[in-house]
Amino acid sequence: DIVMTQGVLPNPVPSGESASITCRSSKSLVYKDGKTYLNWFLQRPGQSPQLLTYWMSTRASGVSDRFSGSGSGTYFTLKISRVRAEDAGVYYCQQVREYPLTFGSGTKLEIK
Amino acid sequence: QVQLKESGPGLVQPTQTLSLTCTVSGFSLTSYHVSWVQQPPGKGLEWMGRIRSDGDTYYNSALKSRLSISRDTSKSQVFLKMNSLKTEDTAIYYCTRDAAGSFDYWGQGVMVTVSS
Repeated sequence: DIVMTQGVLPNPVPSGESASITCRSSKSLVYKDGKTYLNWFLQRPGQSPQLLTYWMSTRASGVSDRFSGSGSGTYFTLKISRVRAEDAGVYYCQQVREYPLTFGSGTKLEIK
Repeated sequence: QVQLKESGPGLVQPTQTLSLTCTVSGFSLTSYHVSWVQQPPGKGLEWMGRIRSDGDTYYNSALKSRLSISRDTSKSQVFLKMNSLKTEDTAIYYCTRDAAGSFDYWGQGVMVTVSS
């Protein structure tokens, strides 16, 4: 199974600052079509997860351009610019390159 | 608009079988995959399995022996059945539209407690 390892944030992050969340995969997530099959989600307290980006860097419909995904085949970053109170929650990366699909353990973001 | 809604019993006894239904609207099950995701209280997300738009199914190997996912396209419903329940299966269960890997819409989730 592909193991997804997420980093920890130095919480709390002051409102208006930037935050970068890291995720590492145990195997390359680049498929033969050239796409990198890595998703990012935000789960706010008491809510269902929300898709932020897919194919590593494509923002989902309606997602603010303050969220940007980047990376290589095995190392990924979700950058949140000008953080706001509404960005608080747990962020998960997920690989959909091969079965079983696997999530990282989550990174909590708190806003000051 | 796209919606998914999970339904099922809130309480199941250990060793029994869990049956959940995901009722979808706003899209066709023959055009999109649907996945099930499990989240124990206070813990992270675990992908359980997927039923593809063509009807093929794929399961998390850790659950494969206990899990079955099926569908009724005429009713726009996807079903999850998991047998031999344990207290560790206490969790919120989500169904999600799985657009070739981008889990773009999620249901509200259904909390299931496994307890005698």
